[in-house]
Amino acid sequence: SAVISQKPSRDICQRGTSLTIQCQVDSQVTMMFWYRQQPGQSLTLIATANQGSEATYESGFVIDKFPISRPNLTFSTLTVSNMSPEDSSIYLCSASGLAGVGSYEQYFGPGTRLTVT
Amino acid sequence: AQSVAQPEDQVNVAEGNPLTVKCTYSVSGNPYLFWYVQYPNRGLQFLLKYITGDNLVKGSYGFEAEFNKSQTSFHLKKPSALVSDSALYFCAVITYNQGGKLIFGQGTELSVKP
Repeated sequence: SAVISQKPSRDICQRGTSLTIQCQVDSQVTMMFWYRQQPGQSLTLIATANQGSEATYESGFVIDKFPISRPNLTFSTLTVSNMSPEDSSIYLCSASGLAGVGSYEQYFGPGTRLTVT
Repeated sequence: AQSVAQPEDQVNVAEGNPLTVKCTYSVSGNPYLFWYVQYPNRGLQFLLKYITGDNLVKGSYGFEAEFNKSQTSFHLKKPSALVSDSALYFCAVITYNQGGKLIFGQGTELSVKP
């Protein structure tokens, strides 16, 4: 399995500001994803982070609000821009396609708990 | 449209009793099915998967799940529940032509009482 770390683990931010969340995987992976989760609820996919190209966003999510970078096969960032209280949530990154492991098995980071005041 | 349903928001079980957490799916093509567990203030942990082969798959922490194609179900089971199994459980599905994206069910809160 892969070990995935996220920074920061939590943050409290003021509305109108931006926060960048980092995701680091301990091995090279093919796919990386970013999700949003309200506490106790299911996960909603924000986008697929593509290495070397623009991320692929799901319906309802746009690049201007959630810019994503993926400079290599082990690292990605998600920025939550111009934040409002509605952006308060848990943000999780995940990775799949580890060498030697089935391509579709996804591993998740511990999440970043964001509160916007 | 692809979807996953977990019909029970909460399942309550006494310690030592068997547990079942239900999951049904609707996809086009062959489903790849997964169960994840989330403990409070933690990320998701992979439990088990069905890709192909034997319909009964065994996973971490003594959990198993049975793939039933005719009923489009993938219920999670454990013969003897532990209090430490109390957590939020998610069923998820990928289809081969979906670029590896997971579609999650809404989650089931499992509560195991001593």
